[in-house]
Order: sequence, then structure tokens, then C-alpha cells
Amino acid sequence: DSGVTQTPKHLITATGQRVTLRCSPRSGDLSVYWYQQSLDQGLQFLIQYYNGEERAKGNILERFSAQQFPDLHSELNLSSLELGDSALYFCASSVMPGLVYEQYFGPGTRLTVT
Amino acid sequence: DAKTTQPPSMDCAEGRAANLPCNHSTISGNEYVYWYRQIHSQGPQYIIHGLKNNETNEMASLIITEDRKSSTLILPHATLRDTAVYYCIVRVGGQNFVFGPGTRLSVLP
Repeated sequence: DSGVTQTPKHLITATGQRVTLRCSPRSGDLSVYWYQQSLDQGLQFLIQYYNGEERAKGNILERFSAQQFPDLHSELNLSSLELGDSALYFCASSVMPGLVYEQYFGPGTRLTVT
Repeated sequence: DAKTTQPPSMDCAEGRAANLPCNHSTISGNEYVYWYRQIHSQGPQYIIHGLKNNETNEMASLIITEDRKSSTLILPHATLRDTAVYYCIVRVGGQNFVFGPGTRLSVLP
């Protein structure tokens, strides 16, 4: 158990819909990261937050957005969903974004778009 | 883009040491080598990291060559539960992790 929690575990929705994925980081971790893992793309970094502020952006679509709240939990919002958005979405956290650190990953949310 | 090269798959007999190689010939002086693994669709799990000295923890050992162009992750006594995809990543502080395809390790009974 990494200490990172993600809800829901599974999500099935239709094309065009909007969903919100939630992540609670490990106690004491200020930085949160979101990743997408689909069968043909591997693990792709989407976005990073540190203490409520966006820190880095990866391959995140404009239809996707995220935020980190004062209590440090984070939400990833996916809108206008397409079939190709079906994937595992992982959240990770770390103490701080600089220098040497490990990221600890949550169990993921499996999104299926039908 | 990932800066490492790993074999796509490897087998190892249960109870034997698993030696997973990683080539990072373009590594720069301030880049660390990290290893993660992912067991069947679970979240990736941190294993170990190092800069230039060999490192050991309760999970594994990391051997980095003197020129730092390659490294080997060693699982000293592989069990069936070590079957996973192993990712070797190089990064410098402040950069985000870039996961490549990794090595799929199968531990065989």
C-alpha cells in the first residue's frame, strides 16, 4: 500500500460525457502527478501540481483539466470523452518536486468509454 | 522520450537472481537512475535509485557501471510475485519521470 488513494476504482461512461477522478496523496506529500496508461501508449505523464499550483504539463489534452485543492487532494476532469480516452489513470505523489525523490503511485482508476 | 534501452522481456527461475540490464549511454553527470516496477495493471512501485555508487535496499540492488552508461537491477532471490514490468528511468532533479516500455520479467516456477 503506497498511501496514495484514488477513487473510483472503475468508471464506465459514454462518449461525450464528463467524469472526475479523485486522488489523495500520501500524508505529507505536497506534489501530485497524473498519468494515463493505455494499451498502445504506455505510461504517459499528464500534469503535475505542487502545493496547489500547476508545476508541469505533459501530454494532456485540452479536454482534460486538473486541480489540487488546499487539503492537497487532486481531481482530474475529463470532458467530451472519446473511445480513445479509455485507459488506466494513475495518480502519484511525492514530498517535493525538486532534486532526488521517489513518486508513489496509487492503484489507479480504470476508465472505460463506450 | 525515454533515454534508456531495456530488453523487452526476460525469464528467471524462481529462487534465482534476476539481473535486469539497462543501457543509458547518453546519461549526463547529474542524472539519477531510477527503477520502478508495475505488477499487472497496478500502480508502478518504486524500487531503488542511484547516481554512481552501487545501492542496495530491502527489495533490490542497483549496480551502475563506472562510466555510468549502463546499470543492472538485481533481485537476489526472485519469487513468482516479482513477475512484473520493470522500468529503468534516468532523470535530473526537476524533470518529470518518462516511462519507456520497460522489461517484462517472468519468474518461472
